[in-house]
Amino acid sequence: DIVMTQSPLSLSVTPGEPASISCRSSQSLLHSNGYNYLDWYLQKPGQSPQIVIYLGSKRASGVPDRFSGSGSGTDFTLKISRVEAEDVGVYYCMQALQTPPFTFGPGTKVDIK
Amino acid sequence: EVQLVESGGGLVQPGGSLRLSCAASGFTFSSYEMKWVRQAPGKGLEWVSYISSSGSIIHYADSVKGRFTISRDNAQNSLYLLLNSLRAEDTAFYYCATVPTYYQDSRGYRVFDSWGQGTLVTVSS
Repeated sequence: DIVMTQSPLSLSVTPGEPASISCRSSQSLLHSNGYNYLDWYLQKPGQSPQIVIYLGSKRASGVPDRFSGSGSGTDFTLKISRVEAEDVGVYYCMQALQTPPFTFGPGTKVDIK
Repeated sequence: EVQLVESGGGLVQPGGSLRLSCAASGFTFSSYEMKWVRQAPGKGLEWVSYISSSGSIIHYADSVKGRFTISRDNAQNSLYLLLNSLRAEDTAFYYCATVPTYYQDSRGYRVFDSWGQGTLVTVSS
């Protein structure tokens, strides 16, 4: 099974400042179609997870353009260019290449300073 | 509006059983693969079970294999999870969710992904 790791596990950010979360997979997530099967989810406090980035770098519908995803193979990054209060929560990366199982990273908790 | 609504959670004694239900609306349920994901209080996300759109292919996490049974009724737009031989470590919020489906339209790549609000299962004597 593919194992997902994330760093850091927690992040405290000043509003308006950037934030960056790293995700690493134990195997390449690059599909033969050229896309990386790596999704990012945000779970806001008291809510269910919502997809933010899919296929490594594509923003889901309704997601602000301050969110961006990058990376390929085994190393990926989620960046928030200017953090806002509504961005707080736990961010999970999930591999979607070899499923099932659907394996998630441990999560990165983002809060506001 | 796309909706997934779970029900059936509650307090159960160790060794007991529960049946979770997930009612889908706002999309063609029979076309989508589905999964159950759980989250112990204060912990991360753990995949539990998967079922194909027709119900013919099923998978379980090792932690629940032999104890949990996933099923679906496409005519009723419903997904189910039968939990048997429950243990304290099964205590969690249980979410039903679509398997992320990537597709292309005239504007490029899209994703269809939806999660329910979760139902809490507490296993305690």
